[in-house]
Amino acid sequence: QVQLVQSGAEVKRPGASVKLSCKASGYTFTTYNIHWVRQAPGQRLEWMGWISAGYGNTKYSQKFQDRFALTKDTSATTVYMELSSLTSEDTAVYYCARGGIPAMFDYWGQGALVAVSS
Amino acid sequence: QSALTQPASVSGSPGQSITISCTGTSTDVGGYNYVSWYQQHPGKIPKLIISDVSNRPSGVSNRFSGSKSGNTASLTISGLQAEDEADYYCSSYTSTTAYVFGTGTKVTVL
Repeated sequence: QVQLVQSGAEVKRPGASVKLSCKASGYTFTTYNIHWVRQAPGQRLEWMGWISAGYGNTKYSQKFQDRFALTKDTSATTVYMELSSLTSEDTAVYYCARGGIPAMFDYWGQGALVAVSS
Repeated sequence: QSALTQPASVSGSPGQSITISCTGTSTDVGGYNYVSWYQQHPGKIPKLIISDVSNRPSGVSNRFSGSKSGNTASLTISGLQAEDEADYYCSSYTSTTAYVFGTGTKVTVL
């Protein structure tokens, strides 16, 4: 069965960076994109970007363009998300999700809380 | 890219039907048949319930249906049940920023 397992919760100081992982299993890793979506407390879902697990090309939301990066390790079937220059507004649950074909998020990771506080 | 517009809340009695709207523009909802809907119970992960405007993934109740007219997509829940009480989000592919979610709708079963 398709599974996306994310790394655990993080607590960061303002200005720091955070790197989260998302390990995929149960399907051919390189066939699908992996997206990242975040949800601040009590707020809506917000799309951040995707990476092609096959080719490694990426597309990021303009909102995060300058401080957001997605990478992958095909041998480990894992995608990494790094967000830098953190502020309190980045406090949220971060989800990875598989990009279903043609255009939906069909499987989701369990989410990882990132708390930014001084 | 602004979020797609959804009503903040919709309510209905058990057995009734309710409809949630999702309004965008010609660069997202109106331009592509790539609208999907997600159900999220409190403290839980989102669950895909409708893809490509009106397709229901395997295992999703046929009480959920989707449609689209112009720049507005809609999710209808028929035969409302207590377990349908949750937050619902639409999403669309866009020509500008790739993907955008809606503002979210809280469904209350009276």
